[in-house]
Amino acid sequence: SYELTQPLSVSVALGQTATITCGGHNVGRKSVHWYQHKPGQAPVLVISRNTNRPSGIPERISGSKLENTATLTISGAQAGDEADYYCQVWDSSSYYVFGPGTKVTVL
Amino acid sequence: EVQLVESGGGLVQPGGSLRLSCAASGFKVNDDDMHWVRQGTGKGLEWVSVIDSSGDTRYADSVKGRSAISRENANNSLHLQINNVTVGDTAMYFCGRSKPSRGIDSWGQGTLVIVSS
Repeated sequence: SYELTQPLSVSVALGQTATITCGGHNVGRKSVHWYQHKPGQAPVLVISRNTNRPSGIPERISGSKLENTATLTISGAQAGDEADYYCQVWDSSSYYVFGPGTKVTVL
Repeated sequence: EVQLVESGGGLVQPGGSLRLSCAASGFKVNDDDMHWVRQGTGKGLEWVSVIDSSGDTRYADSVKGRSAISRENANNSLHLQINNVTVGDTAMYFCGRSKPSRGIDSWGQGTLVIVSS
């Protein structure tokens, strides 16, 4: 089955930049989506198709991809950015696959 | 405004069945891809199943062969039935909507299923 890798946790100082990576076989050829999930709330799509921000998502949240690694970048981190972040792709054998999630802590 | 509201969660005995529903408004469930995603206690998000706009269905290996996803166009709702449940099926279950090849852009608040004797 297809698997994605993410760091378990990322810490970032208030106002600084956090980067979360997402790796997997042939990720470079796949469309990567990113979700923010806070406890007790519904997940929120923050990046679609590698780099596209849905309406309402601030510009300081951005997505990129280089070869087999996708990256979510949170610039000017705020306390409200504390959450779990998941990458997700579609794979022909495993269909919709989520990464294990990265817990972002704002210090 | 797109809205999704799940129902049907609760306590289920091992070996029993669960049937979850998701009431949709603001769009038609047969126009888009409709998903079920779950999160076990202390675990990450796990995709469970999808029914696309053509009616094709797909399942995660963890529920394949004992699950059925369906939609009810008249009621604009989505359903998930899982049979022969185990403690591993204990989770918050979310329904979601996506356009083809795009991320799940709308989610419900979830319904909690606990499998226990």
